[in-house]
Amino acid sequence: SQKIEQNSEALNIQEGKTATLTCNYTNYSPAYLQWYRQDPGRGPVFLLLIRENEKEKRKERLKVTFDTTLKQSLFHITASQPADSATYLCAPGRAGRRALTFGSGTRLQVQP
Amino acid sequence: DAGVIQSPRHEVTEMGQEVTLRCKPISGHNSLFWYRQTMMRGLELLIYFNNNVPIDDSGMPEDRFSAKMPNASFSTLKIQPSEPRDSAVYFCASSSERQGNEQYFGPGTRLTVT
Repeated sequence: SQKIEQNSEALNIQEGKTATLTCNYTNYSPAYLQWYRQDPGRGPVFLLLIRENEKEKRKERLKVTFDTTLKQSLFHITASQPADSATYLCAPGRAGRRALTFGSGTRLQVQP
Repeated sequence: DAGVIQSPRHEVTEMGQEVTLRCKPISGHNSLFWYRQTMMRGLELLIYFNNNVPIDDSGMPEDRFSAKMPNASFSTLKIQPSEPRDSAVYFCASSSERQGNEQYFGPGTRLTVT
């Protein structure tokens, strides 16, 4: 069965450093992959979408890569700030299907 | 736009009671999704609608759960009878094909069944 894996342990980094979060998937051939941010007590908020024919996507301090051979996406936050502390969810999606399957998320804590 | 609106924000009920959760999607969005989030199972898709028609309800746990979308601006998720294991945060999200496939989530309804 299809499986999406994100680090269940929290990632703690120092302010100003680059945070790198990993999303691995198996038994799956997504046409695109989305990343969301979720703060406590709130719904997830869309950040970035990357398609299977794109190697890399950037938005301000965020960068996402998508390696269909490794079946992996990496999510980077450069020059991290305490305000970046949240849980980050990846969600691969299939072509022609609007529903997403979400990973369990990785909690990021940026220390000042 | 006010974003996706959900009500109630919190619901506490006793086992066996009927629970109805409500959602108003963003105007102009043609897809609507119901999710359930728990610590143990994460964010799970329950059902989604496209143009008010249910497309995939394979995530609905059992017959106690039902969802309707009578028009483009309103959807309900009903649990009857409710059980303690239904306690979770229920999210509604909407999206538009014309604006890409990103989903916009509501604030969620925290359901506690005692």
